[in-house]
Amino acid sequence: GENVEQHPSTLSVQEGDSAVIKCTYSDSASNYFPWYKQELGKRPQLIIDIRSNVGEKKDQRIAVTLNKTAKHFSLHITETQPEDSAVYFCAARVGGGADGLTFGKGTHLIIQP
Amino acid sequence: NAGVTQTPKFQVLKTGQSMTLQCAQDMNHNSMYWYRQDPGMGLRLIYYSASEGTTDKGEVPNGYNVSRLNKREFSLRLESAAPSQTSVYFCASSMDSNYEQYFGPGTRLTVT
Repeated sequence: GENVEQHPSTLSVQEGDSAVIKCTYSDSASNYFPWYKQELGKRPQLIIDIRSNVGEKKDQRIAVTLNKTAKHFSLHITETQPEDSAVYFCAARVGGGADGLTFGKGTHLIIQP
Repeated sequence: NAGVTQTPKFQVLKTGQSMTLQCAQDMNHNSMYWYRQDPGMGLRLIYYSASEGTTDKGEVPNGYNVSRLNKREFSLRLESAAPSQTSVYFCASSMDSNYEQYFGPGTRLTVT
């Protein structure tokens, strides 16, 4: 089955700086890669996603890049703000089936004032 | 729209007891999922249902059963709870497997 590795497990950045979280996946058939943000005690919420026919996608301060050859994808957050502090999860879905997502273990992003 | 709802929010069970976690969605989604979240482990798929009347095992199905009662509802049953099943359980739904999954608020289960 699919395996998703996520790094780093904890990331501390100064407010206003950029943050980058990286994930690798194992199954070359994976075709959908969402990123979820989870605040303490809350449900995961989608912040951005990318499909395998696209190399990069941007939404205001958030961007995701995908390298299918290397089987890795990354989340980029620019101009970080205190409300960006949360746990971020990457995930992958293998194409052709109806099964759910395989998640990375999460990155705790801490924005230092 | 309420989105995805789950009951109960919290539950404490003794080892060997049984219970059913309820999930419902009002977005007319075809696919529904059950995940568990443990500290440092991310979310892991227990079971999923691609459409009404179908269910399939995910990554960690042992000790659980599911029922897709109708298009709206997807329940998760623990027949004989074990301490290893202490976790936060999230239900999710999506139009189909190619679309965004929306998560419910979660059920925090403790088995003593």
